[in-house]
Amino acid sequence: EVQLVQSGAEVKEAGESLKISCKCSGYTFGNYWIDWVRQMPGKGLEWMGTIFPDDSDARYSPSFQGQVTISADKSITTAYLQWSSLKASDTAVYYCARRVVSGYDILTGHYIAFFESWGQGTLVTVSS
Amino acid sequence: QSVLIQPPSASETPGQRVTISCSGSNSNIGSTTVSWYQQLPGTAPKLLIYNNDQRPSGVPDRFSGSKSGTSASLAISGLQSEDEADYYCAAWDDSLNGVFGGGTKVTVL
Repeated sequence: EVQLVQSGAEVKEAGESLKISCKCSGYTFGNYWIDWVRQMPGKGLEWMGTIFPDDSDARYSPSFQGQVTISADKSITTAYLQWSSLKASDTAVYYCARRVVSGYDILTGHYIAFFESWGQGTLVTVSS
Repeated sequence: QSVLIQPPSASETPGQRVTISCSGSNSNIGSTTVSWYQQLPGTAPKLLIYNNDQRPSGVPDRFSGSKSGTSASLAISGLQSEDEADYYCAAWDDSLNGVFGGGTKVTVL
């Protein structure tokens, strides 16, 4: 059974650093992209970025580029999302999700992919 | 403002059918497949539909998806009280970034 288990809730002050984790099990960790998704209080889902654990190839949404760092440790099948200096506006629930790629459309050049399994979410509260 | 546009809310009585739209463009829905996610209150999103119209095992066939051009739809037939949730569509853009709709809150009257 595929499982993504995230680290617990965090309460931080603005300016502090933070690293949250997503422990993956039940499949070959290196072979699937892990994505991170933000949900601010009372708001919708926002895609932040992704990492391919086999080679640590990380990609970011333009909205989050330079604001966070995504990493992974294959030896302990865990992905991470980290901030060097938190802001109050980083207050949100953060989800990790395993991306399944089910095919490739040669006409459009797009992979056919979706978020098959999700972690339970990590609430990050940042006070100013 | 989300890249994909969904109505903020939809409602219907039990047993009826509700449809949620998801509007995009040629640079996202028009060139990729769409997936749908159900988020029950206080829980993580759950995959409901993938590859436009495929249901993962365990998802009731009351849920169905479709796509035409730059728009997609999710239909819930035989609406039940446990279907009260937020529903999100998702796709990929030309830069291979993920994009979500703003979410639709479904209320069972």
